[in-house]
Amino acid sequence: EPEVTQTPSHQVTQMGQEVILRCVPISNHLYFYWYRQILGQKVEFLVSFYNNEISEKSEIFDDQFSVERPDGSNFTLKIRSTKLEDSAMYFCASSNDSYEQYFGPGTRLTVT
Amino acid sequence: QQQVKQSPQSLIVQKGGISIINCAYENTAFDYFPWYQQFPGKGPALLIAIRPDVSEKKEGRFTISFNKSAKQFSLHIMDSQPGDSATYFCAASTYNQGGKLIFGQGTELSVKP
Repeated sequence: EPEVTQTPSHQVTQMGQEVILRCVPISNHLYFYWYRQILGQKVEFLVSFYNNEISEKSEIFDDQFSVERPDGSNFTLKIRSTKLEDSAMYFCASSNDSYEQYFGPGTRLTVT
Repeated sequence: QQQVKQSPQSLIVQKGGISIINCAYENTAFDYFPWYQQFPGKGPALLIAIRPDVSEKKEGRFTISFNKSAKQFSLHIMDSQPGDSATYFCAASTYNQGGKLIFGQGTELSVKP
């Protein structure tokens, strides 16, 4: 069964450093998303991406964040200068129709 | 108006019992209401979903009941099993906003043997 994969599973970085989180969506999907989940809290939408551009972004997704689909298979989230409050689980999701979204296993980002 | 409110925060059910989790929303533009199941350290897994043109959807032991006029929907887990112990999230989305999911706060379900 096709699934969304994410790397790395855990990333530790120092405050102010740049991180890139990587995702490989399900191959025939057209819609891509990033969400985050702070420990013990609900899942929060960050950004949606369709047809090589951002279609929607949340207030959390400020200028420190960017997304890219550098080739036909990868979808990345970059945080330019990490803050302590960026520590969270980051989930990538993909969808064929923007409704049924399938989530990856997540990357746990720890900012020290 | 973008919020989805979920209750209860936690739920303990005996094996074989019925687990019921409720969600309420305000935005009448929402047109898709999924439920996700999340085990510790894992990503949310799509469990079942409903559109507002039907009042109920059943898949195996899982049923969504949808009340459009009350702007409420609920998940019923029949014959609950210890393996169902997980956190459940309701969510809502609208096609006009690129499908972004607005999640409820989550319900931690524990099924006792």
